[in-house]
Amino acid sequence: GIQVEQSPPDLILQEGANSTLRCNFSDSVNNLQWFHQNPWGQLINLFYIPSGTKQNGRLSATTVATERYSLLYISSSQTTDSGVYFCAVGPTGANSKLTFGKGITLSVRP
Amino acid sequence: KAGVTQTPRYLIKTRGQQVTLSCSPISGHRSVSWYQQTPGQGLQFLFEYFSETQRNKGNFPGRFSGRQFSNSRSEMNVSTLELGDSALYLCASSLALGNTIYFGEGSWLTVV
Repeated sequence: GIQVEQSPPDLILQEGANSTLRCNFSDSVNNLQWFHQNPWGQLINLFYIPSGTKQNGRLSATTVATERYSLLYISSSQTTDSGVYFCAVGPTGANSKLTFGKGITLSVRP
Repeated sequence: KAGVTQTPRYLIKTRGQQVTLSCSPISGHRSVSWYQQTPGQGLQFLFEYFSETQRNKGNFPGRFSGRQFSNSRSEMNVSTLELGDSALYLCASSLALGNTIYFGEGSWLTVV
C-alpha cells in the first residue's frame, strides 16, 4: 500500500517562531488532508489539499503532487498550536481509504 | 451545525467480551469511516460506509465489524475482545467518499 512519511518527528518552538512540516508519500494520490490532534485526542481537519496551495490564517499548505510531497507552514506559532500534526493520503481510483503518517509532535513554549 | 458524535466516550471491558460503539455523522453527511489509534500502530483505517454499504475495509480481523443505517448513523462492533484492542476508536464523516473528513472526539476503549 501507499507509504506516508512525515518529518521531523518532533519539533520544539518558541512562541512566535515559524515552522515547516513535511509529508512525503510513495504513490499518486487524489486525496491529501492535514489534521491537528490536540492533547485531548480531538482531531481537527486543517486542509483538504490534494494539489496546490491554501491558506487559513496563520496556517498554509502546499502540495506538489507530481513530486509526491506536501508542506504545512505554521507562522507566528502560539502555545495552542501544540499537539500532533498528521498528514493522510488517499490513492487515485475508487479506493478512498486514507493512510495516515506517524505524525509530527509540535511543542510551542511560551 | 452539530459535529460528529461518538458514544460512549470511555469504556472498560474484560477480555472475551464484545463492545459496540456508535457514531452519528454531521447532518447531511453520508459517508462514515472508522479508525483505530494506538501508540504503537498509530492511526489505522478500519472501514468506510456510504449509503449503508461497506465501501472499503482495512486489514483487521473479522472480529471487527460495522454497519451503517439509513439515517447514516454507524456502529462498529468488536467481538471476543483482546488486550491489544485497547485503543482510541475514531469515527469520521464526510459528504461523500473521498471528501474532507471530520472526526468525532473518539471512544476510549480499555480492555482488562
